[in-house]
Amino acid sequence: QLQLQESGPGLVKPSETLSLTCTVSGGSISSSSYYWGWIRQPPGKGLEWIGSIYYSGSTYYNPSLKSRVTISVDTSKNQFSLKLSSVTAADTAVYYCARHVATYYDILTGYYRLGPLDYWGQGTLVTVSS
Amino acid sequence: QSALTQPASVSGSPGQSITISCTGTSSDVGSYNLVSWYQQHPGKAPKLMIYEGSKRPSGVSNRFSGSKSGNTASLTISGLQAEDEADYYCCSYAGSYVVFGGGTKLTVL
Repeated sequence: QLQLQESGPGLVKPSETLSLTCTVSGGSISSSSYYWGWIRQPPGKGLEWIGSIYYSGSTYYNPSLKSRVTISVDTSKNQFSLKLSSVTAADTAVYYCARHVATYYDILTGYYRLGPLDYWGQGTLVTVSS
Repeated sequence: QSALTQPASVSGSPGQSITISCTGTSSDVGSYNLVSWYQQHPGKAPKLMIYEGSKRPSGVSNRFSGSKSGNTASLTISGLQAEDEADYYCCSYAGSYVVFGGGTKLTVL
């Protein structure tokens, strides 16, 4: 059974960089059928997709966060990571990692189209505060 | 990019059916058959309920069904049960990114 587990600091100071890692077990992150994504949810609010990465390093990012986000993958450790720079209180949220099904390969863009998020981690609360 | 539009809340009595709409644009919901729906209970991670507009993952009750017409996708839950009370989110691929709806709180009366 595939499992995803988020890890990282639960408290980050304003203007600093939030760093989280997702460890995948029960399956290979190098599968050609999936991207691996980050989603967040501020307290009491809805879900926001942050970005997703393929095992090759190809990425999709939320345009509204793109200037501050870096997602990377370490296939040797079966992990992928999120870095969000210059954080403010508005970045306080539960951060989830999830498996993103790669569907149709779009020859024009060179990217797979992203399907459903079928496996999720339990989420980790990150609070931005001094 | 803008979030997909969902009603903030819906309600129904046990045994009844309800439908949650999810309105996007011709750049997301209308262009791709890649709408998915998620159920989230308080304090829990979201759970995939419907994908590619109308397909159910293994283990999801057939009381849950999905459809799409133009730029609007819909989730229907029939035979409402108390355990269906949760937040529901739609999600769509949009060409170079992914967008969620704002979420709908389902109350089972």
